[in-house]
Amino acid sequence: EADIYQTPRYLVIGTGKKITLECSQTMGHDKMYWYQQDPGMELHLIHYSYGVNSTEKGDLSSESTVSRIRTEHFPLTLESARPSHTSQYLCASSAGEQFFGPGTRLTVL
Amino acid sequence: GIQVEQSPPDLILQEGANSTLRCNFSDSVNNLQWFHQNPWGQLINLFYIPSGTKQNGRLSATTVATERYSLLYISSSQTTDSGVYFCAGGGELIFGTGTLLAVQP
Repeated sequence: EADIYQTPRYLVIGTGKKITLECSQTMGHDKMYWYQQDPGMELHLIHYSYGVNSTEKGDLSSESTVSRIRTEHFPLTLESARPSHTSQYLCASSAGEQFFGPGTRLTVL
Repeated sequence: GIQVEQSPPDLILQEGANSTLRCNFSDSVNNLQWFHQNPWGQLINLFYIPSGTKQNGRLSATTVATERYSLLYISSSQTTDSGVYFCAGGGELIFGTGTLLAVQP
């Protein structure tokens, strides 16, 4: 079944740790996205990719980085997590209509 | 960049009531989507509706692209309709601030 997967679903980590949030899709889409959402607030685009080896920054400045080595895989990395990074991170893909994964709730202590 | 405004910001309904949610865009968009975010944070696709009218059960949506707005209609609301409703549009989706809907039994 075509879907978008994110792992982990929940992560609690200490300040200064390096973390990678995983996102994979079996939708066959070229375009993939990362959004950040604080509780009760709107989604903000932080990264997007139109295909392999293509990555762009979104409207919201973020200290995270992304890579797109395979079409189906779009991981997000934080080199040194801080409490200000505490948020929900949502991955999406599209070929027109956009679909979202279940999200990762990150808490940095 | 494109600005997206949603109204109302909050809405409380009794079960069985109907409601209309509105989304205004500051510029024309070539795509427009409506989502429902459930209490677990998952975004559920409701409609992909750059223009025209679509219906899916008790929900329907209308987009008037020339006037840069879209409407989401919820009829005979149920408690499971509660949550946040977002509209979004643009090449890379720009989201509105959402409408928080609470349906009371």
